[in-house]
Amino acid sequence: GAVVSQHPSWVICKSGTSVKIECRSLDFQATTMFWYRQFPKQSLMLMATSNEGSKATYEQGVEKDKFLINHASLTLSTLTVTSAHPEDSSFYICSAPSTGLAFAEQYFGPGTRLTVT
Amino acid sequence: RKEVEQDPGPFNVPEGATVAFNCTYSNSASQSFFWYRQDCRKEPKLLMSVYSSGNEDGRFTAQLNRASQYISLLIRDSKLSDSATYLCVVNNAGNMLTFGGGTRLMVKP
Repeated sequence: GAVVSQHPSWVICKSGTSVKIECRSLDFQATTMFWYRQFPKQSLMLMATSNEGSKATYEQGVEKDKFLINHASLTLSTLTVTSAHPEDSSFYICSAPSTGLAFAEQYFGPGTRLTVT
Repeated sequence: RKEVEQDPGPFNVPEGATVAFNCTYSNSASQSFFWYRQDCRKEPKLLMSVYSSGNEDGRFTAQLNRASQYISLLIRDSKLSDSATYLCVVNNAGNMLTFGGGTRLMVKP
C-alpha cells in the first residue's frame, strides 16, 4: 500500500533554534498533505493543510510565521518550527490522501517526536 | 462542545471480553467516518471505515447512525494485542480529518 515517510523520526534541539521536518509520499503523488500535532495524552490536532504550488492553510491558533510549511513538489512537504521553545515539544505527524478525490483514505507518516530543551 | 467526542476510558477488560466504544459528532454535514487505532508513540493506523449499513471485519464491527450522529465500534473476543487507543475520526470537508480524543483500551490476561 501507499507509504508516507517522515524525517527525522525524533529530534532534540535547543530553545531558539529551528527544526525542519520532512514528509514524503513514497509511491504516490499528493497535491495536499496535512500536518498534525499531538501532545501527550491528547488527540491529534490539525495544524495546517499543505498545498503543492500554493500557500498552506493554517488552522485557527496556529502561527504561520512560526510553523513554516513548504510543499515543494508532489511528493514532499516540509514543516519548519522556527525559534522553537519547550512548549513546541510534541509529536508531529503528517498525512496524505491516497487520491485527489474528496474523502479519500489517508496515509499517515510515522511521526516526528520533537523535544526542545 | 468538541466536534468529535469519545469517552476517554481507560477500558480495562479481560482477554476474551466484548467491548464497545461510542463516539458522537456535531457536524451533521460530515461525510465519512473512520475508526483508527493508535499505539503508544506511534502514528494512527486505519482500523476500518464506518458505513450506515454497518460493517464487520473479523472481530470488529462498526456502526453509524446518521440521525443520532453516533458511531460505534464493537470488539469481540478481545486479545492482548488489541490494547491501544481507538480514535473516532470524521471527514467533514474534502480530506480534512477531525479526530476524537481517543478511547484507551487495556486488555489484561
